[in-house]
Amino acid sequence: GAVVSQHPSWVICKSGTSVKIECRSLDFQATTMFWYRQFPKQSLMLMATSNEGSKATYEQGVEKDKFLINHASLTLSTLTVTSAHPEDSSFYICSATGQGLADTQYFGPGTRLTVL
Amino acid sequence: SQQGEEDPQALSIQEGENATMNCSYKTSINNLQWYRQNSGRGLVHLILIRSNEREKHSGRLRVTLDTSKKSSSLLITASRAADTASYFCAVQGSGTYKYIFGTGTRLKVLA
Repeated sequence: GAVVSQHPSWVICKSGTSVKIECRSLDFQATTMFWYRQFPKQSLMLMATSNEGSKATYEQGVEKDKFLINHASLTLSTLTVTSAHPEDSSFYICSATGQGLADTQYFGPGTRLTVL
Repeated sequence: SQQGEEDPQALSIQEGENATMNCSYKTSINNLQWYRQNSGRGLVHLILIRSNEREKHSGRLRVTLDTSKKSSSLLITASRAADTASYFCAVQGSGTYKYIFGTGTRLKVLA
C-alpha cells in the first residue's frame, strides 16, 4: 500500500515552454502533498506544500508564478514549470501523506526535467 | 536552512561490514525519518522514529534517536552490495507539518 506515482518520469523540452508534472496517490487519499527539487548528488530541497482544495504554501525563494502547484483532488497534485529555462533542469520529486499513514511521507519515483 | 546535517558524506565499506550514518538537527522535532535513494530514483522510506522513542529496528536496520544531542544514527548490519545507495534523514520540526532533509550519506558497499 501507500504507492505514489509521477508522470512523466522524464521530459525534455525547449526553453520557454511549460511542463506539467503529475503526482498521484494510487491507494490512499493524500491530504498533503509535497514537492521537492533535487540537483545531482545533492539533497532534496522542499519547494512547496499543498493541501487538497487550498493554495500551496511555497518555501522561501521559490517563485510561485514559476512553479504552479494545483492539488485538485485527494489523489492528484500537479506541478507546472512555466516558461522553463535551462536552470530549471532538475529532478523533481513529490511525496504524499494521508490519514492513517502515521506521518510517513511516501515518495513518487521522480521526474527528470531537461530544458534545452 | 537545512535542519539535517549528515556525516559522513560518503562511506565505502566491504560487504559484510556494518555501516553507520549520523544525522544532526537544530530544533525540537516531532519525528525523524530515514530514506534510501538509488541513483536517479525516488526515495524509499526505511524507518520513522518519533521524538519519544529512542531506538527502532527493521530487519538489518537499527535507528537510534538522542533528542538531548539532537542526533540520530542509522546502522546497517551485515551490509550487502545491494545496500549501495544514498541515505537521507528527514526531520519534522515540532509544530510543523513539513520535512527538511539532511545532506545525505552516499554509501558504497564493495563486493
